[in-house]
Amino acid sequence: EPEVTQTPSHQVTQMGQEVILRCVPISNHLYFYWYRQILGQKVEFLVSFYNNEISEKSEIFDDQFSVERPDGSNFTLKIRSTKLEDSAMYFCAILQGAGEQYFGPGTRLTVT
Amino acid sequence: RKEVEQDPGPFNVPEGATVAFNCTYSNSASQSFFWYRQDCRKEPKLLMSVYSSGNEDGRFTAQLNRASQYISLLIRDSKLSDSATYLCVVRGGRFGAGTRLTVKP
Repeated sequence: EPEVTQTPSHQVTQMGQEVILRCVPISNHLYFYWYRQILGQKVEFLVSFYNNEISEKSEIFDDQFSVERPDGSNFTLKIRSTKLEDSAMYFCAILQGAGEQYFGPGTRLTVT
Repeated sequence: RKEVEQDPGPFNVPEGATVAFNCTYSNSASQSFFWYRQDCRKEPKLLMSVYSSGNEDGRFTAQLNRASQYISLLIRDSKLSDSATYLCVVRGGRFGAGTRLTVKP
């Protein structure tokens, strides 16, 4: 099972601030996903990213969100101006094999 | 209609029971199906892929019914450690809302 790490494990930020969440797969992967899970709710697809381009995004992934792979290994999710409702767990996942996804441990984002 | 719908649960069963979850999907072109489990405040973990012919992994059996557009997961001889939320996933990251299972002694 491939290993994926995410940093930070917990981020507290004030409303309106920018946050950057990081995902680092241990080995090279080309296909990444970002998800969010508001406490007690379902896992929601945000965006998929293939070969340094967004391949698909959901309606949640509006102009406040962006993704990039700045150095060929780290994979980041940026929220430009956080809102209270952005408080959630954010998971990244890598795609492998016949479509299985392996998730990182998540970043808990708290917007105050 | 939601893209992926699951039994809402919760399911509370005694140890040793057999329990089944269903998940329906709306996109008939979907090709990939998976079951994940998620423990409280943890990331989803792949339980098993679902193949067209059905597949089994120990106490777990997954089935796909393309005609009726649903997948199922059967857990036999439930263990306390099976207590978790079970998520079905269709096509590149579309998750069902999850079904919570609690196995009691």
